[in-house]
Order: sequence, then C-alpha cells, then structure tokens
Amino acid sequence: DSGVTQTPKHLITATGQRVTLRCSPRSGDLSVYWYQQSLDQGLQFLIQYYNGEERAKGNILERFSAQQFPDLHSELNLSSLELGDSALYFCASSPGIYPLFDGSQGYTFGSGTRLTVV
Amino acid sequence: TQLLEQSPQFLSIQEGENLTVYCNSSSVFSSLQWYRQEPGEGPVLLVTVVTGGEVKKLKRLTFQFGDARKDSSLHITAAQPGDTGLYLCAGGRLDSNYQLIWGAGTKLIIKP
Repeated sequence: DSGVTQTPKHLITATGQRVTLRCSPRSGDLSVYWYQQSLDQGLQFLIQYYNGEERAKGNILERFSAQQFPDLHSELNLSSLELGDSALYFCASSPGIYPLFDGSQGYTFGSGTRLTVV
Repeated sequence: TQLLEQSPQFLSIQEGENLTVYCNSSSVFSSLQWYRQEPGEGPVLLVTVVTGGEVKKLKRLTFQFGDARKDSSLHITAAQPGDTGLYLCAGGRLDSNYQLIWGAGTKLIIKP
C-alpha cells in the first residue's frame, strides 16, 4: 500500500458520459498530480495541485477538469467522454511543489483507475 | 518528440542474464529518476540521481547518471523473474518548472 488511494479501481461508461475519479494523497503530502497512461502514449502529465491551488498544467483536455479540496483529496472530472479517453488514470502525491527536491522521494503513485469508454 | 528516449522498448531474457537499459536525451536534466511499474499498479520510485557521473546501487540494480547529465543507464545483474516490469525514467529541468518529463519506458520480461 503506497498510501495514495484512488477510487474506483475500474470504471466502464458510455461515450458522451461524465465521470469523476477520486484521489486521497499520502498523509502529509500537499501536492497531487494526475496522469493518464495509455498503451500508445505512455505516461502523460495532466495537472498538478498544491495545497488546493492549481500549480501546473500538462496535456489536459478542456473536457477534463480537476480540483483539490481543503482536506487535500482531489477529483478529476472527465466529461463528454470519447473512446480515446479509455486509459489508466493515476494520481500521485509528493510532500512539496517540486517532487525532485522533496528529499528525493519523488512521486508516490496510487494504483490507478482503469477507465473504459464503450 | 520524446525528450527522454528509452531503449530498448522491449526486452525479454532468461533468468540469470545481465542487462542494461538506457535513457537518453539531448537536453541536460537537473536530476533523473527511475521507476518500476508492475501490471495493474502505479510506478514505484527506485532511485534519484542528481550529480553527473553519479552511480547508485540498489541490490542487483546499478544506476548511472551521465557525466553531462543528459543520459542514464540501469544495469541489472543476474536478472530474476521478480524484476519483470515496465522501467520508466523521468527527469526534471528548470525550464519545465521541474515538472517531471517521462520516457516511454522499457518493458522487461525475465523468463524463469
């Protein structure tokens, strides 16, 4: 158990629908990152939140949004889903803003949510 | 274009053999990390290297950061089936605000 909790583990939904993925970071970590991993694209950074504020954006589509709540858990909302959105979605956390300088701890990843759009 | 190129993309060898996988870039990185990901799980950090020429060992795994901090290698001695997984390198640069830049990974299979 990495300490990062993601729910649900699996999600099957139809095109055009909206889903919410949830992440609870490791205790004490203030940063949450969302990643998408598909077979053909590898691990793609979507967005980072630090202590409730958006910190950095990657290749996140406009149909996707995220937020981090006062208790530091985060949600990733995916709307108008398309077949191509089928992927593993990972949440990771780190103590500070820059994972490379957090005592070399880097990211701690959750086990992911496997999203299948049919 | 991948800023971090990993090679080979796929490697399947017998238990007991040695292997090296590479992570290369034309850019300089402030530091570089290696992760291992097993099916159905998230990546797990193995090591962080920050100094050019640095060598770190983790049991049978040896990690090296290139002198110019543009490349890294992971050498596994006497590979075991438990080493099977996807090995990812990730680097941070000042001009990317230190957000990790990820390679596509090397998928390693160790056959008993």
